[in-house]
Amino acid sequence: GQNIDQPTEMTATEGAIVQINCTYQTSGFNGLFWYQQHAGEAPTFLSYNVLDGLEEKGRFSSFLSRSKGYSYLLLKELQMKDSASYLCAVSGAGSYQLTFGKGTKLSVIP
Amino acid sequence: GAVVSQHPSRVICKSGTSVKIECRSLDFQATTMFWYRQFPKQSLMLMATSNEGSKATYEQGVEKDKFLINHASLTLSTLTVTSAHPEDSSFYICSARRGGGSEQFFGPGTRLTVL
Repeated sequence: GQNIDQPTEMTATEGAIVQINCTYQTSGFNGLFWYQQHAGEAPTFLSYNVLDGLEEKGRFSSFLSRSKGYSYLLLKELQMKDSASYLCAVSGAGSYQLTFGKGTKLSVIP
Repeated sequence: GAVVSQHPSRVICKSGTSVKIECRSLDFQATTMFWYRQFPKQSLMLMATSNEGSKATYEQGVEKDKFLINHASLTLSTLTVTSAHPEDSSFYICSARRGGGSEQFFGPGTRLTVL
């Protein structure tokens, strides 16, 4: 089976940097995704990691360590609009199905 | 590219009726479509996976006779909630994957309220 853990809530200040961690235990691994979801809306894709290391995309970066079953999403220069839930999702080996973590609700304060 | 639409965006129905939700990939052919359900303050839970032209694969605990899935073409999948009950009220989200890719593109979701 799959088990994905991430913090339930985080608060950070506008303009700051925040790191959202995700740990996973899976029976296989075919990649890790990060999605952003605003309340009442569908998730939007942020990043995809399948190899170890850091993937940078503008203000958002994502890191993966497969040996540790660990990933983080790094958000820089936080803006108020970044207040949302951030979902970590893992794709199992030989499958394109995604198992989602419960999400981390990020609140950006002035 | 890679836009997925859902219709309707919001539906309210009486208990015992059936509701059909459509999921369309607008600018690509979707090899696989996925249906998720999300209750308030919960994460997305995969209900079923459907491939065009074949029967859907349901996750454990999801009743296939209650949640009918039809993947009629490479751009359309439908989810029918039969004999809906108040406990079926939820946010239903579909996603689509195109051949050769790993990423899932999500639709905007359908908010179902059963009275």
